[in-house]
Amino acid sequence: DAKTTQPPSMDCAEGRAANLPCNHSTISGNEYVYWYRQIHSQGPQYIIHGLKNNETNEMASLIITEDRKSSTLILPHATLRDTAVYYCIVRVAQMNYGGSQGNLIFGKGTKLSVKP
Amino acid sequence: DTGVSQNPRHKITKRGQNVTFRCDPISEHNRLYWYRQTLGQGPEFLTYFQNEAQLEKSRLLSDRFSAERPKGSFSTLEIQRTEQGDSAMYLCASSLDRRRGNTEAFFGQGTRLTVV
Repeated sequence: DAKTTQPPSMDCAEGRAANLPCNHSTISGNEYVYWYRQIHSQGPQYIIHGLKNNETNEMASLIITEDRKSSTLILPHATLRDTAVYYCIVRVAQMNYGGSQGNLIFGKGTKLSVKP
Repeated sequence: DTGVSQNPRHKITKRGQNVTFRCDPISEHNRLYWYRQTLGQGPEFLTYFQNEAQLEKSRLLSDRFSAERPKGSFSTLEIQRTEQGDSAMYLCASSLDRRRGNTEAFFGQGTRLTVV
């Protein structure tokens, strides 16, 4: 079962920041927070991941609370093309080559609708 | 295009027929995953390979399902005696498993199966 809780849907105005929350209150010390998104009829697309520090890349920023029990994905300037389902996933950091950890367990995600 | 490739993109079959899907992972990715996704749900893990070895299978993978990765490169997923409940999007993903940890998983566009 997924170890995260996300709101089922959110709206955002085009050009504004989209802030997508995720609760992962049972996260373990060796688990990362991953974000993927899925645009209609396409495969999931990796966005960003982090352990405890905030992370930023060309797509988004990830803010993880100090206790690591929740996080927020931020799309700084949402566009219509960012309309998608966003999945927050906790994933064990694989420390041993060939280990069975690392599979992605998806929940239902948050459907983000960016409106003009 | 050097991404994950899945064929066919769409498949319509009659109940009781066998179907086979193919996945070509990103070159040099040693880990390959299969997922299934039904409407309104997140992707559900089915199985994964480390090179040619199938290391984990979900309980969702019934006896009618079989996956192979004979040379550690492409993979096939076969469904025998298809049922209407098998109608879904079948997603393949690949990643590189290294001693210092896994890379993120990259997904293909999926094969949409409709059983009539």
